[in-house]
Amino acid sequence: AQSVTQLDSQVPVFEEAPVELRCNYSSSVSVYLFWYVQYPNQGLQLLLKYLSGSTLVESINGFEAEFNKSQTSFHLRKPSVHISDTAEYFCAVSEKDKAYSGAGSYQLTFGKGTKLSVIP
Amino acid sequence: NAGVMQNPRHLVRRRGQEARLRCSPMKGHSHVYWYRQLPEEGLKFMVYLQKENIIDESGMPKERFSAEFPKEGPSILRIQQVVRGDSAAYFCASSQLQGLLSYGYTFGSGTRLTVV
Repeated sequence: AQSVTQLDSQVPVFEEAPVELRCNYSSSVSVYLFWYVQYPNQGLQLLLKYLSGSTLVESINGFEAEFNKSQTSFHLRKPSVHISDTAEYFCAVSEKDKAYSGAGSYQLTFGKGTKLSVIP
Repeated sequence: NAGVMQNPRHLVRRRGQEARLRCSPMKGHSHVYWYRQLPEEGLKFMVYLQKENIIDESGMPKERFSAEFPKEGPSILRIQQVVRGDSAAYFCASSQLQGLLSYGYTFGSGTRLTVV
């Protein structure tokens, strides 16, 4: 069984400061990794994903995450946050399914979320 | 091009009543997934449906919960005889083809169910 741990439930940070949101996972098989963001009163949006290849993945709005297999982590970072980054961030994992038709192709396991508050 | 639409946004039910949550997938999407977020918990998979078919309901409680995705109309998550423990946020996602995690899901804004 897979599990995802987001140790920080809330992270306050000043505007233009760097931020790291931590995510660790446990799984007995290879995984795909995702970060989703939920802005107030909206649905979850995919922020970035790691499927294979380069372990450093980037989003279009300046976030990046690095897959570290030895530490089973997928921490999310941004060097300089903006007020508009205030949101809840969810880390998620899915089992890498070679057949691409089993539960691993559609079933996500989420962490509890981290609420990022950017302070002016 | 509207996203995944869920309604109502907030729903209050008394214990023992029925709750019906609706999800209209994005245009052209025929695969729907329901997730539940209990207080202080992450989202948990409940059920995966295609038009007129339940593909995987392994995450759905065995009693009182049912889901459907008819040929016409939205997907419905139905909870009979609600109890306080059903209070949660229920999210729906849709995709054009099965899973395709490489493209990510598109989630709706969720329905917040409160049982009093």
